[in-house]
Amino acid sequence: DVVMTQSPLSLPVTLGQPASLSCRSSQSLLHRDGNTYLTWFHQRPGQSPRRLIFKVSNRDSGVPDRFSGSGSGTDFTLKISRVEAEDVGVYYCMQGTHWPPLTFGGGTKLEIK
Amino acid sequence: EVQLVQSGPEVKKPGESLRISCEGSGYSFTSHWIAWVRQMPGTGLEWMGVIFPSDSDTRYSPSFQGHVTISVDTSISTAYLQWSSLEASDSAIYYCSRLTSGVAELDYWGQGTLVTVSS
Repeated sequence: DVVMTQSPLSLPVTLGQPASLSCRSSQSLLHRDGNTYLTWFHQRPGQSPRRLIFKVSNRDSGVPDRFSGSGSGTDFTLKISRVEAEDVGVYYCMQGTHWPPLTFGGGTKLEIK
Repeated sequence: EVQLVQSGPEVKKPGESLRISCEGSGYSFTSHWIAWVRQMPGTGLEWMGVIFPSDSDTRYSPSFQGHVTISVDTSISTAYLQWSSLEASDSAIYYCSRLTSGVAELDYWGQGTLVTVSS
């Protein structure tokens, strides 16, 4: 199974400052169909996960453009250009290229410094 | 509007059985896989398994195979997750989520069902 590793575990950020979250996979996530099925989710305390980014860099409808995803192969990044208070919570990456199983990273907890 | 609405919180004793549900609306229920995801207290997300409602094709994570059963009733656009004998370690929030058509990406999520197993 593909192992997803996220870092850092915890990320304290000052409001208005940028944040960078890393996600690494144990195998390349490039699918034979040419797509890379790497998804980012955000989970606020007490809420369900919400998808932010799919296929590495595609923002979901309603997701602010301060969020951006990038990467290829085994190395992926979620960037927040200017952190706002509503961005706190846990961010998870997930791969769907080599499924089943779908596998999640352990999460990065973003908090305001 | 796509919605996945899950059944309410449950409190059970070890050894009891349980079935929780996830009703889909706002889309063609039979055309999208439905996944179940576990979140134990204070921890991350674990994929349990998926079902394709059109033909009930089901895949399980080895970690959950044999301990849970995933099923579906297309007549009421509802997927189920059930246990025949709960353990205290089954206490968690369980989410259902829809896979985007044709690909292994989770797009919409239910609100979660909290299951508490305690003697």
